[in-house]
Amino acid sequence: SQQGEEDPQALSIQEGENATMNCSYKTSINNLQWYRQNSGRGLVHLILIRSNEREKHSGRLRVTLDTSKKSSSLLITASRAADTASYFCATSGAGSYQLTFGKGTKLSVIP
Amino acid sequence: DADVTQTPRNRITKTGKRIMLECSQTKGHDRMYWYRQDPGLGLRLIYYSFDVKDINKGEISDGYSVSRQAQAKFSLSLESAIPNQTALYFCATSRVRNNEQFFGPGTRLTVL
Repeated sequence: SQQGEEDPQALSIQEGENATMNCSYKTSINNLQWYRQNSGRGLVHLILIRSNEREKHSGRLRVTLDTSKKSSSLLITASRAADTASYFCATSGAGSYQLTFGKGTKLSVIP
Repeated sequence: DADVTQTPRNRITKTGKRIMLECSQTKGHDRMYWYRQDPGLGLRLIYYSFDVKDINKGEISDGYSVSRQAQAKFSLSLESAIPNQTALYFCATSRVRNNEQFFGPGTRLTVL
């Protein structure tokens, strides 16, 4: 069964605006990762945040993790048309050898 | 990612046929994975392998088998394809446990 659930399922914004996507999960984790997928292509790793971290930055990306609420958010600042893609969170659980992916948020950035 | 390659990229086959999807990597990673992706369902793990002698079932292994021929090669077989195996299939690798995974470009499989 899938661990992460992204919210919203779809998001449409204007270029230059910020985009926020959320991920909720059910069990304890070692880390949480975000991936991007352009239409029909393989996933690309964006960022990993460990369970003992609360916030992490990478370029225009900001990820937060709240283990008490079992949730994470991905913020993309100053969005560009090239950010149009689906975004997935994936969790790595304690004692697990697998990543479990959510269903994704489909982001459309309108030029 | 050119470091993880999948063949074929597209395949149309008929119910009951045996199909093999191949994955090769030049990353030198020990860990390799096969996923399937269906619209609206995200990625689900079929099989994973941590080295040539280590093969493990994932969430949805029924109807599939795998072979790890070498560190760099991991093949997925559908012994007798059925229409509900129509999906996008991805191979992935990782260097260490539970760290970032590197994905191939995918194989779009259609079973008629």
